[in-house]
Order: sequence, then C-alpha cells, then structure tokens
Amino acid sequence: RKEVEQDPGPFNVPEGATVAFNCTYSNSASQSFFWYRQDCRKEPKLLMSVYSSGNEDGRFTAQLNRASQYISLLIRDSKLSDSATYLCVVNEDSGYALNFGKGTSLLVTP
Amino acid sequence: SQTIHQWPATLVQPVGSPLSLECTVEGTSNPNLYWYRQAAGRGLQLLFYSVGIGQISSEVPQNLSASRPQDRQFILSSKKLLLSDSGFYLCACPLENYNEQFFGPGTRLTVL
Repeated sequence: RKEVEQDPGPFNVPEGATVAFNCTYSNSASQSFFWYRQDCRKEPKLLMSVYSSGNEDGRFTAQLNRASQYISLLIRDSKLSDSATYLCVVNEDSGYALNFGKGTSLLVTP
Repeated sequence: SQTIHQWPATLVQPVGSPLSLECTVEGTSNPNLYWYRQAAGRGLQLLFYSVGIGQISSEVPQNLSASRPQDRQFILSSKKLLLSDSGFYLCACPLENYNEQFFGPGTRLTVL
C-alpha cells in the first residue's frame, strides 16, 4: 500500500490559537480524502471529508492539493476539547478500505 | 444509522493462547466489513475485509484469520497468539456513500 505521511507532533497550543496540520500521500490515483479524529483509547471518528474545492465546517477547514498530493486541516479558535489525535485518511479505491496516516497529536492548553 | 458492537472491550491473553474477537453490525445495507489493527506507534493497518458471507480477503500475511458466518457478523481469530498481536482491533463498515467508514468501539488486546 502507498504511504500517507503526517507530522506526529505533538502540537501544544493555547486555547484560542489557530493550528494547521499537513498530510502528504504518495498514490496520485487516490480518490477520496478525510480527516478523522481519535480520542485517547477510543475508535477513530470521521471529522470531515476533504473536497477538491476545499470545505469548511465551523472552526475546521480542510483543503486538498492534488498537484502536490497534500491535504491540510486548519483549526481556528482552538478549544480544550479539540485535544486529540487527527488522522489523515486516503481512499485509493472507491468502496475499498482506507489508508491511514499515523496521526498528529494535538494538545490544547488553558 | 449504523451501530457496531465489538466484544470484549479489553482482553489480556498469554502467548500461545487462542483468540476470538466478535463484531456485529446493525443499521447498514452495505455488506462490506473490515478488521483493522492499531499497534503502538503505528497507524491503522487493514487486516481483513469481507464483501459477504464466507468471503474473506487478507491484506497482510499474519498469525490471524477471519470469518464471516453471518451477514452481520465478522470474527477475528488466532490459534496461537504472539506478542506482536497486541494492539487495538477495530471493526468497520462503510458509511452510506461507500467512501467513508464507521468504526466500532474496538477491542484492546494485550498479549503477555
């Protein structure tokens, strides 16, 4: 399987800060892209899909650059509850399983 | 909406002992099911996927096997556990659009 690479962090930021995560993928034929959130000792949960045109969901903005094969996640006005590991995920074949990065750890401090 | 049940939630087993982890799924019409493992310091790794009863595909050679005895049941097994089998085992099914996936609560396995 092709690789999905993320900076493992940890990213330690104060409440209210803006933080950005990047992810690169090696398979140029990849079709779908996602960010998942995983809390400590819990299952991953879908945070948002990433579309070619970019998409925003409240304080979260995801962008895709197919030419450079990277995906980004921007979190504005960080909350303590945003502390988690963020997984970059790529689907190389529609209907098939997902290819996960190792995750980037975020700790938001008071 | 989908619901995935996995049990047990936590398991501690000695090396060489057998293993059976169960996953049952409700609320989905998509037949595909997946087993992933998340080992310490590693990303989620796909172990098996199944597109229907009795159909299993293995992604990596390993000490584990899987079975799909019923449409909504997916079982992960081993005859003799190794230390390297320790990890967080997650069962997953596709969300309705086939691309995104929904995960069960997982089983945390420690092999001693």
